Amino acid sequence: AQTVTQSQPEMSVQEAETVTLSCTYDTSENNYYLFWYKQPPSRQMILVIRQEAYKQQNATENRFSVNFQKAAKSFSLKISDSQLGDTAMYFCAFMGRWNTGNQFYFGTGTSLTVIP
Amino acid sequence: DTAVSQTPKYLVTQMGNDKSIKCEQNLGHDTMYWYKQDSKKFLKIMFSYNNKELIINETVPNRFSPKSPDKAHLNLHINSLELGDSAVYFCASSHPSGGIYEQYFGPGTRLTVT
Repeated sequence: AQTVTQSQPEMSVQEAETVTLSCTYDTSENNYYLFWYKQPPSRQMILVIRQEAYKQQNATENRFSVNFQKAAKSFSLKISDSQLGDTAMYFCAFMGRWNTGNQFYFGTGTSLTVIP
Repeated sequence: DTAVSQTPKYLVTQMGNDKSIKCEQNLGHDTMYWYKQDSKKFLKIMFSYNNKELIINETVPNRFSPKSPDKAHLNLHINSLELGDSAVYFCASSHPSGGIYEQYFGPGTRLTVT
């Protein structure tokens, strides 16, 4: 079974500073996708960023970027210029592609608090 | 113009009752999912449907049954509700055949069993 590990249950960062959330995963597959989702107090799950495993270039979306290390099976999220609205639970997710269909696995989440 | 919608958003009911949660997506996606998020925020996939066919069925109690009348809907029916069923249930959709692998989530349904 695939596993996704987020080793930081809680983190905090000062407004305007940079923070990195860690995520590691375990898989024997070569073709997969990785995602970061954000869940603010409203509980809506929002896609932050996605990364295709076959792409070496790290994905970026405005203030959000990833450090994808395929050999190390690491997929960290960097948030630059943190804003109060970034306060949320962040989930790392792995999607593998099998003959039976696509399977998603989520990490246990990191609760991020941005301090004014 | 809501992409993935769920009804109701809150559901309070007593043990032993039967309830349903509805989900609809207007994105034209071909795969829909149901997740359970427990009090510790852990997300666990329960079911997924692709073109009205169940393709993943995790080890959930058979009191839970997904029903998909068409590609845009995946409803969750729960029989004989138990206290441990209290959680937030999320519906999601994706479109793998169109290269859209990320999941789009509904707003969630908070189920409280008393």
